[in-house]
Amino acid sequence: DGGITQSPKYLFRKEGQNVTLSCEQNLNHDAMYWYRQDPGQGLRLIYYSQIVNDFQKGDIAEGYSVSREKKESFPLTVTSAQKNPTAFYLCASGRDSNTQYFGPGTRLTVL
Amino acid sequence: AQSVTQPDIHITVSEGASLELRCNYSYGATPYLFWYVQSPGQGLQLLLKYFSGDTLVQGIKGFEAEFKRSQSSFNLRKPSVHWSDAAEYFCAVGAGAGGFKTIFGAGTRLFVKA
Repeated sequence: DGGITQSPKYLFRKEGQNVTLSCEQNLNHDAMYWYRQDPGQGLRLIYYSQIVNDFQKGDIAEGYSVSREKKESFPLTVTSAQKNPTAFYLCASGRDSNTQYFGPGTRLTVL
Repeated sequence: AQSVTQPDIHITVSEGASLELRCNYSYGATPYLFWYVQSPGQGLQLLLKYFSGDTLVQGIKGFEAEFKRSQSSFNLRKPSVHWSDAAEYFCAVGAGAGGFKTIFGAGTRLFVKA
């Protein structure tokens, strides 16, 4: 069954902690993306990767880091430098340049 | 710069009534245009897309959208709304062939009343 999985579905972080959100796809897509969603603001691009071992900053990369060691995986780390990390995080992947397929999302809450 | 505007933050329609969600974009070249739907707490699902050709595009779940270059619009329509259509709808514009960034509108939340 092909698709994109994200884990965990819910994540809680204490102040000063780094946390890593998982994103895996078995669609054989080259491109992968991370978005942050806040109420009333749509989706904002954090990072994207067009190919293994390469990634670019999006519009709101500060306080986040990523890696792309395998085609199937694109984990996102929310560092302690991200001052307002509570949000819904969405991962997506795509084959052609623009059509994106989304995972179910991870809701991160800072305690 | 690319931008997408969805003028309506929320819309309420009666079940069985027709629906039109508005989307205006700003882009210098021929855009790639998309509509996605999101149920609460879920990811986004692609409803339809326009790259070129026929300006009336059919999608899943009975939705269609029409690309109007002169109006820079890509409005989403459905002739008869079902209660299960209640969700948030996002219009998006892509950078075209070779581009990897997509800009999303802020979304329109659809409420369906019985």
